[in-house]
Amino acid sequence: QKEVEQDPGPLSVPEGAIVSLNCTYSNSAFQYFMWYRQYSRKGPELLMYTYSSGNKEDGRFTAQVDKSSKYISLFIRDSQPSDSATYLCAMEYSGNTPLVFGKGTRLSVIA
Amino acid sequence: EAQVTQNPRYLITVTGKKLTVTCSQNMNHEYMSWYRQDPGLGLRQIYYSMNVEVTDKGDVPEGYKVSRKEKRNFPLILESPSPNQTSLYFCASRGQGSYEQYFGPGTRLTVT
Repeated sequence: QKEVEQDPGPLSVPEGAIVSLNCTYSNSAFQYFMWYRQYSRKGPELLMYTYSSGNKEDGRFTAQVDKSSKYISLFIRDSQPSDSATYLCAMEYSGNTPLVFGKGTRLSVIA
Repeated sequence: EAQVTQNPRYLITVTGKKLTVTCSQNMNHEYMSWYRQDPGLGLRQIYYSMNVEVTDKGDVPEGYKVSRKEKRNFPLILESPSPNQTSLYFCASRGQGSYEQYFGPGTRLTVT
């Protein structure tokens, strides 16, 4: 079993839809959880960061972590064509350990 | 502007011809990494460095070398490139104890 599993998609939704992106993981020692967004021909950029369990909201984006289920989610409300990108989940054990990435989910938001 | 730069951005080379991809960051970050990104395999870490003169293997280090002689630079060396090293390469950096990793723009390498 891979440490981090992420459905690669692709996922195609109409503009204005609510998007749910998910990752599962196997190692309960992970404490820090992140979502990166990668536009085509660009490097990934940090989108959301969460420590341990709980929710975090930033504008149209909400990150959720459920450590008991080893499951993290990213919700995008009122999706826009500019949200079209690949979304990668990432996690780590502590602040100074290598990040472990999911394979990424490619999202297309159609106008 | 805070950034991670990589050069070259695109490179086509032949099997066995040594090459170096440079990486530089201007944020005084201690931690630097190299990744390769391949379709269906995602981002895989090649090597990382916790600070000057400290490097360690990531998940896929075979066929690669790195050095960290200065804090800002972390070059990736392919001594004898092979076609299976054709990939998109990213350098990244972050500060000590920081959760945010900054990525470079990527280097697309083709080995024929």
